[in-house]
Amino acid sequence: NAGVTQTPKFQVLKTGQSMTLQCAQDMNHEYMSWYRQDPGMGLRLIHYSVGAGITDQGEVPNGYNVSRSTTEDFPLRLLSAAPSQTSVYFCASSYLGRGRANTEAFFGQGTRLTVV
Amino acid sequence: LAKTTQPISMDSYEGQEVNITCSHNNIATNDYITWYQQFPSQGPRFIIQGYKTKVTNEVASLFIPADRKSSTLSLPRVSLSDTAVYYCLVGDQRNAGNMLTFGGGTRLMVKP
Repeated sequence: NAGVTQTPKFQVLKTGQSMTLQCAQDMNHEYMSWYRQDPGMGLRLIHYSVGAGITDQGEVPNGYNVSRSTTEDFPLRLLSAAPSQTSVYFCASSYLGRGRANTEAFFGQGTRLTVV
Repeated sequence: LAKTTQPISMDSYEGQEVNITCSHNNIATNDYITWYQQFPSQGPRFIIQGYKTKVTNEVASLFIPADRKSSTLSLPRVSLSDTAVYYCLVGDQRNAGNMLTFGGGTRLMVKP
């Protein structure tokens, strides 16, 4: 059982480049989300999904796109990278509902992105 | 979503009990209170969750007063390895846009 797997672990991009951060979970969780964490700061929600085919914006969605074609995968796409997007990106997944409002969220190890 | 307020940082010594309080004055009826722990260069890890009164597991206890406008995470006999950032979250993923949002957290430093 791998849990939540993020790839790559490190990435350097040039301004204007695009790329996709991958996130996969093998726990059959409905809920998946992406966060960014800037140095010394808390996590900010970018996008989230409550199931395949359903996505929605979080607190800081500008400059990012997501899709959820399967339960397992929730890729995050940077459309045109900017230095302000230099951050650590975390993907998380959890069950939704099942009689509990917020179930335990499992996080990946993060992707450290630098945009130069 | 109910906003949370936590102390920015706390210091403690090994073997002491640490209590971190979170204020959430606008908590809604269906909201749960959840705490996460984050070590440097790692993703957050679930610690404990509760709705009211007291919840205890092998890691911590969570105290929630009757009005639910605050909660206290209690870590018994901390060790150096408990040095981390602790986040208090309040919400209901089934509603309010299903968002699970983090605040700034409390940076706990445990000293020898």
